[in-house]
Amino acid sequence: ETGVTQTPRHLVMGMTNKKSLKCEQHLGHNAMYWYKQSAKKPLELMFVYSLEERVENNSVPSRFSPECPNSSHLFLHLHTLQPEDSALYLCASSHDSNYEQYFGPGTRLTVT
Amino acid sequence: QKEVEQNSGPLSVPEGAIASLNCTYSDRGSQSFFWYRQYSGKSPELIMSIYSNGDKEDGRFTAQLNKASQYVSLLIRDSQPSDSATYLCAVKNPYSGGGADGLTFGKGTHLIIQP
Repeated sequence: ETGVTQTPRHLVMGMTNKKSLKCEQHLGHNAMYWYKQSAKKPLELMFVYSLEERVENNSVPSRFSPECPNSSHLFLHLHTLQPEDSALYLCASSHDSNYEQYFGPGTRLTVT
Repeated sequence: QKEVEQNSGPLSVPEGAIASLNCTYSDRGSQSFFWYRQYSGKSPELIMSIYSNGDKEDGRFTAQLNKASQYVSLLIRDSQPSDSATYLCAVKNPYSGGGADGLTFGKGTHLIIQP
């Protein structure tokens, strides 16, 4: 248990659905991240938030919309996804005095 | 384009031997380096970080960094079957100036420890 939780752990959604992924960290960190892990590809950074402000958007399609209401919570809102968006979505957090990132268990997303 | 390269393996090592995992990175300005272990179906788990040239030891793990050669390695001594996993090398994206920077990951090396 790393102190980073994610819900749901598994999600199946149709291409016309809207859903949200939730991440919560209990480590007192002030930066949070979304990564995507697809089969046969390295982990890909999607979004970075520092002190609740987005500091990096790694050219992610607009069908993915992040939200960071406070330093402990991070959401990823999903709409009109494509089957190629099926992947493991990982949340991580860190403190800006230390670059070490700790990952949550991930949400396994399947788009049908 | 920042790149992190790892041999995908599988790397097969007998139990009790030293496993050596290697990683190269493309951006000479990179300053912070990490090794993660990922078991099948699980999320990555941080096992080592290294910021300065040389060796850093933590239990059975030793990370080695050579910035001149843009090379990072991880040694696992007295390998156990429970060490069988995929090991991911990650490099902190440089130049943004802050602590909240994403990491660039390699594809990982699949390590198998044979009993």
